Amino acid sequence: AQRVTQPEKLLSVFKGAPVELKCNYSYSGSPELFWYVQYSRQRLQLLLRHISRESIKGFTADLNKGETSFHLKKPFAQEEDSAMYYCALSGLGGSRLTFGEGTQLTVNP
Amino acid sequence: GAVVSQHPSWVICKSGTSVKIECRSLDFQATTMFWYRQFPKQSLMLMATSNEGSKATYEQGVEKDKFLINHASLTLSTLTVTSAHPEDSSFYICSARDFLGGANVLTFGAGSRLTVL
Repeated sequence: AQRVTQPEKLLSVFKGAPVELKCNYSYSGSPELFWYVQYSRQRLQLLLRHISRESIKGFTADLNKGETSFHLKKPFAQEEDSAMYYCALSGLGGSRLTFGEGTQLTVNP
Repeated sequence: GAVVSQHPSWVICKSGTSVKIECRSLDFQATTMFWYRQFPKQSLMLMATSNEGSKATYEQGVEKDKFLINHASLTLSTLTVTSAHPEDSSFYICSARDFLGGANVLTFGAGSRLTVL
């Protein structure tokens, strides 16, 4: 079975502060991890995926297989980062995508 | 980039009626589409995987006779909520797999909000 856990439903930081959204997973095989973001009144969209090892909008995420984590980080949060963030997992090769429960990030001015 | 169009964006119906929601992939072909359900302030729950030209694969606990899925072409999947009841009121979201540069990425529709009176 595959499972994704995001322990924080709500996260509030001030503009310019570092932010880390936690994600832990459980999967018996080789996982493919993603972060999706949903801005207010917009559709869910891909933020980044671990295999590309890229930085999008200043966000990065590193897959830690030892700790089974894929935390999302940004050194200096901006107000426009306020959104709902979902961590998601699928098996390599594109099987079904399982989502975490999401973390609502609020960046205060 | 890849776009998934979902229609209608919201629908209100009477209890006992059936409602059809369409999911279209624009500018790309999708052999596989996924249907999710999202309750307020909760995560997306996968309902079923829609496969073009074959039967959908339903997740455990999802009634296949209640939620009929048809994927008749490479760009269209439909979800029909049959004999809808108030407890079926929810936000239904479809997604399609778009292989981007060899990677596996899902593109999501904007969702369809169903309210059953």
